[in-house]
Amino acid sequence: GAVVSQHPSWVICKSGTSVKIECRSLDFQATTMFWYRQFPKQSLMLMATSNEGSKATYEQGVEKDKFLINHASLTLSTLTVTSAHPEDSSFYICSARPALYGYTFGSGTRLTVV
Amino acid sequence: QKEVEQNSGPLSVPEGAIASLNCTYSDRGSQSFFWYRQYSGKSPELIMFIYSNGDKEDGRFTAQLNKASQYVSLLIRDSQPSDSATYLCAVERAGSARQLTFGSGTQLTVLP
Repeated sequence: GAVVSQHPSWVICKSGTSVKIECRSLDFQATTMFWYRQFPKQSLMLMATSNEGSKATYEQGVEKDKFLINHASLTLSTLTVTSAHPEDSSFYICSARPALYGYTFGSGTRLTVV
Repeated sequence: QKEVEQNSGPLSVPEGAIASLNCTYSDRGSQSFFWYRQYSGKSPELIMFIYSNGDKEDGRFTAQLNKASQYVSLLIRDSQPSDSATYLCAVERAGSARQLTFGSGTQLTVLP
């Protein structure tokens, strides 16, 4: 149990376009989900906390207008990278904390902006 | 001082040996502590979590927590080449804003 599904696994997009990443909790409800970014050989950095039915909470230094988060239901959160640039190329990972479990992570999305 | 610190390694141990991974944290009010394993190009997978002082064992893995020393460790017994990965220590903040803060990770290589 406690599976978080993330799609797509990888995406290549042109500079200036937008990309949407989906994160779903498959067998539990997640009022809160977390979005991380990981650059090569670095640890996970929390970008934002996604709250169902309300605005996301962004970490310092993360542009909320660039990284749009929508948490419209108890099982789905989306991250949209708007006007993507090569420096946005990274590994994006979502997470949730089901009751009685530790934080569970999605499989991640490798974004490459060309 | 970083919130969560780990020895970056790399740490190499021979197959069958005990691998010891260490982590210290700065927030004395932290309540829950997690160990994740991350293979290259993959997302982290939970090994175990601990929130009480002392030891917690799960198969070949033992987590040890000492809140007075603000120290948490992970022991891997009978290490296997498949254990070669980066091990991430993560600490959950106290209070209502439940979030994880990660250490930089320790790269472990188990030599056949």
